Amino acid sequence: GEDVEQSLFLSVREGDSSVINCTYTDSSSTYLYWYKQEPGAGLQLLTYIFSNMDMKQDQRLTVLLNKKDKHLSLRIADTQTGDSAIYFCAEGSRSQGNLIFGKGTKLSVKP
Amino acid sequence: DGGITQSPKYLFRKEGQNVTLSCEQNLNHDAMYWYRQDPGQGLRLIYYSQIVNDFQKGDIAEGYSVSREKKESFPLTVTSAQKNPTAFYLCASSDQGGAETQYFGPGTRLLVL
Repeated sequence: GEDVEQSLFLSVREGDSSVINCTYTDSSSTYLYWYKQEPGAGLQLLTYIFSNMDMKQDQRLTVLLNKKDKHLSLRIADTQTGDSAIYFCAEGSRSQGNLIFGKGTKLSVKP
Repeated sequence: DGGITQSPKYLFRKEGQNVTLSCEQNLNHDAMYWYRQDPGQGLRLIYYSQIVNDFQKGDIAEGYSVSREKKESFPLTVTSAQKNPTAFYLCASSDQGGAETQYFGPGTRLLVL
């Protein structure tokens, strides 16, 4: 079946940039998503990118998509302690009934 | 105020008991989903529904049941057949199924007494 892979942990210092990576297998993916989950809460949509785009920027967030390598990344500029959370990558295609989620990357931001 | 609500926030189940988790949305979305989250496991799909009076099993449907009698409601019952129900349960909805953006509720944590 289709799969989405992410590294489980990332630790950065406050003020540095964070880069969270994701790989997926479904070549028919049309949308790719990044969600953020704070402790004890639901998932919050951060941003998404269409599969015909290479890059999307939204304030401190930059999403890069390499469709050839099926690689997606989320860059957070000037990372703050409030960015500490679990970040989920997800992909969806029109042929699927739902999104496929990665296991999540836990971002820890040290002051 | 549009969104997805889940209740209760915490739920305790005694052995052999069925419990029902509530999920309501006022976003006028057609599709709704239930996920289970265990530490380090990410999200696993339990059931989803793309339209009223229809639903499909996800990856881990055994020991769970759902109904979709109204567009805005998608309750999940954790039955006594589910031997390891302790987890965080998340409900989501989307305008349509497939690749559409999903919006999540705040979650219900189920604990076994």
